[in-house]
Amino acid sequence: DIEMTQSPLSLSVTPGEPASISCRSSQSLLHSTGYNYLDWYLQKPGQSPQLLIYLGSNRASGVPDRFSGSGSDTDFTLKISRVEAEDVGIYYCMQALRKGTFGQGTKVEIK
Amino acid sequence: QVQLVQSGAEVKKPGSSVRVSCKASGGTFTNFAISWVRQAPGQGLEWVGGIIPFFRTANNAQKFQGRVSITADETTSTLYMELSSLRSEDTAVYYCARAKEDIYYYGMDVWGQGTSVTVSS
Repeated sequence: DIEMTQSPLSLSVTPGEPASISCRSSQSLLHSTGYNYLDWYLQKPGQSPQLLIYLGSNRASGVPDRFSGSGSDTDFTLKISRVEAEDVGIYYCMQALRKGTFGQGTKVEIK
Repeated sequence: QVQLVQSGAEVKKPGSSVRVSCKASGGTFTNFAISWVRQAPGQGLEWVGGIIPFFRTANNAQKFQGRVSITADETTSTLYMELSSLRSEDTAVYYCARAKEDIYYYGMDVWGQGTSVTVSS
């Protein structure tokens, strides 16, 4: 199975400041189509997870443009340009190239 | 707008089996891959398995090989996940989620509300 490693595992951010989460995979997630099969999800407290980014860098419908995904092959990053209070929760990366595997999650809280 | 509605909470004895259902309403699931994801108390998300309608096949994470069965009933737009030989570590909330296409599990943009499964003697 492909293993996913996120860092940091927790993050405390001042509102209005940027935040960045790293995700590394044990194998390349680059598909022959040229897309990286890597998603980002946010799970807010008490809720089902929600899709933020798919195929490495595509924002899901309704996701604010302060969220962006980048990277390729085995190294990926989720960036929040200006963190807002509603962004608190746990962020997960997930590979979908070979079945599915989630990273451990990164807990984001507001200072 | 498609919604995934899951069955209610379950309490099971160790060694028994549980079957969780996930019904698609307001749309179809036959053109989309569906995953089952679980979350143990205070833990992260774990991909359990899924079904790929394009190939009419199900596959599971290696960890659950031989213990999980994922099926789909197209006539009722309902998916099922059955987990056998339950142990306390299987206590979790189980989610179904629909992917953006029918061959891979990426872009899960529709999620069920979750089903709590408690394994206790």
